[in-house]
Amino acid sequence: KAGVTQTPRYLIKTRGQQVTLSCSPISGHRSVSWYQQTPGQGLQFLFEYFSETQRNKGNFPGRFSGRQFSNSRSEMNVSTLELGDSALYLCASSLDGSSTDTQYFGPGTRLTVL
Amino acid sequence: AQSVTQPDIHITVSEGASLELRCNYSYGATPYLFWYVQSPGQGLQLLLKYFSGDTLVQGIKGFEAEFKRSQSSFNLRKPSVHWSDAAEYFCAVGASGGYNKLIFGAGTRLAVHP
Repeated sequence: KAGVTQTPRYLIKTRGQQVTLSCSPISGHRSVSWYQQTPGQGLQFLFEYFSETQRNKGNFPGRFSGRQFSNSRSEMNVSTLELGDSALYLCASSLDGSSTDTQYFGPGTRLTVL
Repeated sequence: AQSVTQPDIHITVSEGASLELRCNYSYGATPYLFWYVQSPGQGLQLLLKYFSGDTLVQGIKGFEAEFKRSQSSFNLRKPSVHWSDAAEYFCAVGASGGYNKLIFGAGTRLAVHP
């Protein structure tokens, strides 16, 4: 079974631009979560989607948004990029997103904002 | 508020030596606890998890962890470290409210001397 895939793997943008990252979950998984990883703040939860609905959200500004499609693929969008948005963005999928569910992580998208 | 503390930022061990990585959590109810490993440029791989039952949990790659409620700890151990174990290790707790929100510790970077 294929793992979680994320595209693109690397992105370079400039301040003020917007960016869209994509995540394809493991086949059969319906829950997708997103995390931001930075050297200063570590791993922080962004949001979780299940059946095209956002069920949980972390403490990030409204510039960070996401969505999920009927095939469970998910995208996250960051508008008006700031230098501090440079990070590794990780996507994780699980069967149903319950507390005891195991999350499987993708390799991440490395975003650099110049 | 829920939190996870990994007191050791860096640890260096010799190949073949035993390893213990510390993790302390703050959580009101019975926690769901996880250990993940991240190799450079990679996503996170689940080593093991604890939900309930036996407090000694076996994981992949020869790792184990022991849940101690009285000490609010979930330390990761391996009896004999291999050079390929060099990576960053993250302890995480499943946040209340569920839906795949994991709260991560800051991570412990493990170096292995030959």
